[in-house]
Amino acid sequence: GEDVEQSLFLSVREGDSSVINCTYTDSSSTYLYWYKQEPGAGLQLLTYIFSNMDMKQDQRLTVLLNKKDKHLSLRIADTQTGDSAIYFCAAYKEGTYKYIFGTGTRLKVLA
Amino acid sequence: NAGVTQTPKFRVLKTGQSMTLLCAQDMNHEYMYWYRQDPGMGLRLIHYSVGEGTTAKGEVPDGYNVSRLKKQNFLLGLESAAPSQTSVYFCASSYGLAQYFGPGTRLLVL
Repeated sequence: GEDVEQSLFLSVREGDSSVINCTYTDSSSTYLYWYKQEPGAGLQLLTYIFSNMDMKQDQRLTVLLNKKDKHLSLRIADTQTGDSAIYFCAAYKEGTYKYIFGTGTRLKVLA
Repeated sequence: NAGVTQTPKFRVLKTGQSMTLLCAQDMNHEYMYWYRQDPGMGLRLIHYSVGEGTTAKGEVPDGYNVSRLKKQNFLLGLESAAPSQTSVYFCASSYGLAQYFGPGTRLLVL
């Protein structure tokens, strides 16, 4: 079945760019998502990208999709301490009703 | 709009006790989901529903039951709680594009 993998930790300095990476196995995934989870809270949808797109930009967030390598990345420009959280990548295949989540990447922003 | 709400926020149970977690959404979404989140394991799907009156098993359904009697509500039941069910439980709803999550219920089974 579908599998989604992420590295567990990332540490960056405030003001730098962060790049969080994700790989998935099912090339027929329709949509790919990034969620943010702050301590003690639920998952907040940050952005998503259709599988026929290469890039999506939304303010400080840039999502890049490499379908050939089944690789998704989330770039956060000018990272702030408020960006410290766990970031989850997820894949969805239309018609399956199921979203497959990675284990999450914990981003720590150092002041 | 309140979005997705979950009741209760926190609960302590003794082994063998039963309880029901309530999820409610006011976005008229067809699909609803229950996940559990454990350290280092991401989110695992317990059960889901693609419409009122329908439910289906997810990845880890054993020990749980669900019901979707009304479109806006999705209930998760633990028949006989076990320490292995200590977790944070998240409900989500979706219209088929993206999921929207509730704030979670933290459950401790002693």
